[in-house]
Amino acid sequence: DTGVSQDPRHKITKRGQNVTFRCDPISEHNRLYWYRQTLGQGPEFLTYFQNEAQLEKSRLLSDRFSAERPKGSFSTLEIQRTEQGDSAMYLCASSKRDIENTEAFFGQGTRLTVV
Amino acid sequence: AQKVTQAQTEISVVEKEDVTLDCVYETRDTTYYLFWYKQPPSGELVFLIRRNSFDEQNEISGRYSWNFQKSTSSFNFTITASQVVDSAVYFCALAISSGSARQLTFGSGTQLTVLP
Repeated sequence: DTGVSQDPRHKITKRGQNVTFRCDPISEHNRLYWYRQTLGQGPEFLTYFQNEAQLEKSRLLSDRFSAERPKGSFSTLEIQRTEQGDSAMYLCASSKRDIENTEAFFGQGTRLTVV
Repeated sequence: AQKVTQAQTEISVVEKEDVTLDCVYETRDTTYYLFWYKQPPSGELVFLIRRNSFDEQNEISGRYSWNFQKSTSSFNFTITASQVVDSAVYFCALAISSGSARQLTFGSGTQLTVLP
């Protein structure tokens, strides 16, 4: 499978717990993006990596959120002290060039439910 | 700031009908890019088309066609002879190339249901 892979697909956690999601982009893609999608809404940009460098962060990404992309390969998104408002689908995407210039490939997402 | 409006929340059609999904965008940039993505029930967004602001030519790809009109800031998507497999949520999105932003601004999507 050469698509974008996300793990886990579903996560249920108690409020206050920490969670970590993983994204494996298409191997030759050096751009990687995280988006968040709540029910009935379009995805909202969270952050962007070019190789291992995190070049852009949305104001949606509070201090409880951190993303990494060590060695410019897979990426992780961690949410600390989860809140009910964090419940959403977290989507990862990757592309060969900047997203405005090309097709981005999205994973199937990680659905987070905070109870 | 950029904004994309998809006023149609849900559309239901019978198979073989034509359907048009509306998209209106706002941006102050003169160079921008417009996209349509399809989100089937499995969750992943599937790229359909990309258009830059300097190319107002309409495009047709099989049963899909797109009408880009800068005068009305619209980028509408038409499916001809719809099929049940077209049922999905469709998102219009906008990206700009100025500054350091490397992100898509999505509309809220249109849920299309094609009935057999």
